[in-house]
Amino acid sequence: SQQGEEDPQALSIQEGENATMNCSYKTSINNLQWYRQNSGRGLVHLILIRSNEREKHSGRLRVTLDTSKKSSSLLITASRAADTASYFCATDAGDNAGNMLTFGGGTRLMVKP
Amino acid sequence: KAGVTQTPRYLIKTRGQQVTLSCSPISGHRSVSWYQQTPGQGLQFLFEYFSETQRNKGNFPGRFSGRQFSNSRSEMNVSTLELGDSALYLCASSLAPGKETQYFGPGTRLLVL
Repeated sequence: SQQGEEDPQALSIQEGENATMNCSYKTSINNLQWYRQNSGRGLVHLILIRSNEREKHSGRLRVTLDTSKKSSSLLITASRAADTASYFCATDAGDNAGNMLTFGGGTRLMVKP
Repeated sequence: KAGVTQTPRYLIKTRGQQVTLSCSPISGHRSVSWYQQTPGQGLQFLFEYFSETQRNKGNFPGRFSGRQFSNSRSEMNVSTLELGDSALYLCASSLAPGKETQYFGPGTRLLVL
């Protein structure tokens, strides 16, 4: 079963605009990670945010985490056509879960040139 | 460093056959996890190995098995293939279980006819 729910399921924007994707989860976590996937290929790791962090930046990416609401958001600023991909959030399941990640359903982002 | 490698990249099998997929983690990484991705079920955790021991197993039938070797390379095996086993199988590696970034390989796309 999927712990995470992502919305929107699909997002279409113009190049240069910002894209925001949201993720909700159900149980306590140690970390939340965001991944990108292009056309059924492997997952590319974007950013990891720990449960004691509230915000993290990496280049044009900004991730927030609200553990009280069990939610996270990924903001991509000044989007490019190359950002077109599916984006997934993934959570662990707490201290005893090792590396077992639970993924959301993903957001399909299309950036039009 | 070379990334996670998976072989073969594509595979076509028929129902009832068995298949073995291979994963070589990033050098120095000792934890390997496997995931199945299908359009209907999304990304689902199969199992996790660390130091040649299975630490966690997802909700999959016993036809799915795996192992890890002393050099951290891992294999997964699916016996008595069913049409529903058609999927992208992804391997991820990390330094150790829990609280670590996981890096994914390109995946093996399995088609069962």
